[in-house]
Amino acid sequence: DTAVSQTPKYLVTQMGNDKSIKCEQNLGHDTMYWYKQDSKKFLKIMFSYNNKELIINETVPNRFSPKSPDKAHLNLHINSLELGDSAVYFCASSQGPTGAPNQPQHFGDGTRLSIL
Amino acid sequence: AQTVTQSQPEMSVQEAETVTLSCTYDTSESDYYLFWYKQPPSRQMILVIRQEAYKQQNATENRFSVNFQKAAKSFSLKISDSQLGDAAMYFCAYRSAVYTGNQFYFGTGTSLTVIP
Repeated sequence: DTAVSQTPKYLVTQMGNDKSIKCEQNLGHDTMYWYKQDSKKFLKIMFSYNNKELIINETVPNRFSPKSPDKAHLNLHINSLELGDSAVYFCASSQGPTGAPNQPQHFGDGTRLSIL
Repeated sequence: AQTVTQSQPEMSVQEAETVTLSCTYDTSESDYYLFWYKQPPSRQMILVIRQEAYKQQNATENRFSVNFQKAAKSFSLKISDSQLGDAAMYFCAYRSAVYTGNQFYFGTGTSLTVIP
């Protein structure tokens, strides 16, 4: 069973379009994250949700809007896509601070977003 | 905020040889957790090894071991008997035991090439 699954794996679209990436985890974790990995492989935190509440928003343009309908899901919607949005986006989950702190994050397989 | 530094953007090793990847971090906390992740070309983020800061004994997982020097804030990864499948990007990560919003901090990665 896939622990953290995100869809789609690849997304090719034109500048100006709106797209969504979905993420689901079946690990029972209460915290979920979105990361952006650029062409140099730098992993940059974008958002973090704990029990459906936003706890981190790292100066991400407001064209990016995360939505967490429940603690097992964290979707990412991107409006008016720009060339600079091309990257790999990773969803991850972990137990929050009241859980086991020695536990790592578990990552999805990433979504490669390409803007034409 | 904590910072994690990987000073070697690229490393290479001959198959069957040993290689050490360096990682240093900056923190004022006494309790925290450290991880090494591997990202092969398939782009999955795979946990390699973890270390609790309160443990003096260095963690070991088969051919992977760490040299944890708490006073020096150093957490290097040693790969013994390197195999072709070890070729990947390696990320060092720090997890704070104190809940301040973001808990995970990643280094910029080291790209490891294994030469047959």
